Amino acid sequence: GENVEQHPSTLSVQEGDSAVIKCTYSDSASNYFPWYKQELGKRPQLIIDIRSNVGEKKDQRIAVTLNKTAKHFSLHITETQPEDSAVYFCAASPSGNTPLVFGKGTRLSVIA
Amino acid sequence: DAGVIQSPRHEVTEMGQEVTLRCKPISGHNSLFWYRQTMMRGLELLIYFNNNVPIDDSGMPEDRFSAKMPNASFSTLKIQPSEPRDSAVYFCASGTVEAFFGQGTRLTVV
Repeated sequence: GENVEQHPSTLSVQEGDSAVIKCTYSDSASNYFPWYKQELGKRPQLIIDIRSNVGEKKDQRIAVTLNKTAKHFSLHITETQPEDSAVYFCAASPSGNTPLVFGKGTRLSVIA
Repeated sequence: DAGVIQSPRHEVTEMGQEVTLRCKPISGHNSLFWYRQTMMRGLELLIYFNNNVPIDDSGMPEDRFSAKMPNASFSTLKIQPSEPRDSAVYFCASGTVEAFFGQGTRLTVV
């Protein structure tokens, strides 16, 4: 089955700097890669996703890149703000109706 | 739409008791997933349904766990008997392509 590895497990950045979180996956059949943000005590919330027919997607300060050959994808947050502090999870699945397999999460701290 | 609704939000129970967690998915979503979240193991898939039919329950840790989806708008996850190691946050999620999570149920078994 699918296995998703996520790095780093913790990340601290100064406000205004960029943050990058990287994930690798094992199943070449996976073609859907969402990213979730989970604030303390709250639910994971979808912030951006990418499908295998696209190499990069941007939404304001966040972007995701995908390298299907290397089986890795990354989340980029620019101009970080304190409210970006949260745990971020990457995930992968062969299609939208099949379960997501999650990475272990990255705890991002943005220091003001 | 109110999103995925789970109840209760918090549950504290004694070891050996039966626990039932409830989920109402978003209307129109044909897939429903139950996940368990702990610090040690992260987000683990327990079981998922497509069109109310259980597809894969290989993530259910033991026979003490069972899940049902009697109709498109309701699902339950039951633990009987509960044990302290079952303490975790249990999330229900639904979707068609994307998966949307409920608020979760924080279960504490003492």
